[in-house]
Amino acid sequence: QKEVEQNSGPLSVPEGAIASLNCTYSDRGSQSFFWYRQYSGKSPELIMSIYSNGDKEDGRFTAQLNKASQYVSLLIRDSQPSDSATYLCAVNTGNQFYFGTGTSLTVIP
Amino acid sequence: DAGVTQSPTHLIKTRGQQVTLRCSPISGHKSVSWYQQVLGQGPQFIFQYYEKEERGRGNFPDRFSARQFPNYSSELNVNALLLGDSALYLCASSLWLGGNGYTFGSGTRLTVV
Repeated sequence: QKEVEQNSGPLSVPEGAIASLNCTYSDRGSQSFFWYRQYSGKSPELIMSIYSNGDKEDGRFTAQLNKASQYVSLLIRDSQPSDSATYLCAVNTGNQFYFGTGTSLTVIP
Repeated sequence: DAGVTQSPTHLIKTRGQQVTLRCSPISGHKSVSWYQQVLGQGPQFIFQYYEKEERGRGNFPDRFSARQFPNYSSELNVNALLLGDSALYLCASSLWLGGNGYTFGSGTRLTVV
């Protein structure tokens, strides 16, 4: 079992719709959780962090964490073509930092 | 402010050679971590350093080693290069042990021929 799992996609949504990205993790001792965006040929860029159960909103982005279910999600509201990228879920277990394989998102104008 | 800087940008090495990659963290950041990313995959954790001490190691062979210097810059060394070591090597820095997320450099593209 991989430490962090994501659906690889591709996920396509029309412009203005809500994109929903999901991630599960295996280590119950994981302490902090992150979503990164990676454009093709570029390095990952941190967009959201979440540390406690519940929702955290930042602009058009909402991260959701459910530690009991070992589940993290990212919602992107009013999706824009510029949101087209690969979204990486990352989990910090204390001395290791694991990434999922990423979900490719395409926003169709 | 300068972000995380990595050098070189691109590198071509022959199988069996050794390579050293360099990373300078964001000013004030004391934690550096290294990742290997192959095409189509997420970054794979190699090492994490904090205050010049190794604080985490991923599932990589002993051919991979790293260190962090007193100015918090870091080097990643890979010995006895294999074709499978061809990848993008990413360095990232954080104020402390990754708890607030890492900021990535642009990476070093290593090609082993």
